[in-house]
Amino acid sequence: EAGVVQSPRYKIIEKKQPVAFWCNPISGHNTLYWYRQNLGQGPELLIRYENEEAVDDSQLPKDRFSAERLKGVDSTLKIQPAELGDSAVYLCASSAGLNTEAFFGQGTRLTVV
Amino acid sequence: QKEVEQNSGPLSVPEGAIASLNCTYSDRVSQSFFWYRQYSGKSPELIMSIYSNGDKEDGRFTAQLNKASQYVSLLIRDSQPSDSATYLCAVILVSGAGSYQLTFGKGTKLSVIP
Repeated sequence: EAGVVQSPRYKIIEKKQPVAFWCNPISGHNTLYWYRQNLGQGPELLIRYENEEAVDDSQLPKDRFSAERLKGVDSTLKIQPAELGDSAVYLCASSAGLNTEAFFGQGTRLTVV
Repeated sequence: QKEVEQNSGPLSVPEGAIASLNCTYSDRVSQSFFWYRQYSGKSPELIMSIYSNGDKEDGRFTAQLNKASQYVSLLIRDSQPSDSATYLCAVILVSGAGSYQLTFGKGTKLSVIP
């Protein structure tokens, strides 16, 4: 069974440019998470989806970040415009349900210069 | 305000010893607890989940949960150099608004010395 797939693995952009990350969860997993992880820190939740509904986006900086999960499968996280402080690893995870185990993709390392 | 707390370490143990990793959390109604291992430059990998008070063993790993004390720990027996990594504690926290969040601690860096 394929795991969570993310792309791209690495992205370098100039500040003020837009960037998008893509995530394909494990087949059948209804819950999808986007996290951001800074060096030396634990992952911080940005948004959680249950199927196509964003049920927890309280920590998503909505002025520049947006996310969507059309048809309740793949998801895209976008930043526009990017700032230097957005440099981090963006992780996608999925689980079969809210209180069950979550599995992570390989992550996207974003560098904003 | 961090709601899942871990000692950041580093924790150094000799090869073959028992490594003990600890985690406390703030939410009394949490029901789901997880330990992840993260190697440098890699994404977190789930190694243990625990939902009930007591111990849960899986090979060299034992997770311990005490909900009354809001405390969860991970023991690694016969530690190997390949266990050297950062260990992340994760808890599904429930907010007053009924929101469930899979929340991570900062992680404890473990070094197993040959």
